[in-house]
Amino acid sequence: GIQVEQSPPDLILQEGANSTLRCNFSDSVNNLQWFHQNPWGQLINLFYIPSGTKQNGRLSATTVATERYSLLYISSSQTTDSGVYFCAVVLSNDYKLSFGAGTTVTVRA
Amino acid sequence: ETGVTQSPTHLIKTRGQQVTLRCSSQSGHNTVSWYQQALGQGPQFIFQYYREEENGRGNFPPRFSGLQFPNYSSELNVNALELDDSALYLCASRQGAGLTTEAFFGQGTRLTVV
Repeated sequence: GIQVEQSPPDLILQEGANSTLRCNFSDSVNNLQWFHQNPWGQLINLFYIPSGTKQNGRLSATTVATERYSLLYISSSQTTDSGVYFCAVVLSNDYKLSFGAGTTVTVRA
Repeated sequence: ETGVTQSPTHLIKTRGQQVTLRCSSQSGHNTVSWYQQALGQGPQFIFQYYREEENGRGNFPPRFSGLQFPNYSSELNVNALELDDSALYLCASRQGAGLTTEAFFGQGTRLTVV
């Protein structure tokens, strides 16, 4: 099956720092989403980005589908950015979201 | 527009019992899928319903079953609960059966089996 690998597994940041999270996937995809899981467990949609670049405030994402990776950028990090970030993909011939193991981000004041 | 809602938020059951979890899809969405997330892991796909028919299933035993209703809400039923069924259960909804629509998740149901 498809492999979705996220790196790094853990990231500790000082407030105000910038960071990059990476998602590699092993096959071509129709759909790629980035989520932030809050402390109560809800997955919050950050980006729907099967290809190209998008920005939303301090967050931006880039997916290079031909090279099978996506990047999530966090700029000027805040303590509220803490949590687990998941990348999830849908294979070209599949119907389900396959998740990576996540990157746990801790932002310290 | 209401988002995806799940009930209950927390549940404690005894091994061997049966449980039903519920999900109301986001307005305008006709596809619902269920995921199980064990502690420290990413969500794992259980199954998906489109217009009341199951149209995809992950690697879960038959004691995990589901339904989708005409209003597109859904239920996840688990029979003969095992300790390893303790997890966060997430429901997602999206528009259409195609592969290119964005999925939105509910807040989850945290199930503890003792």
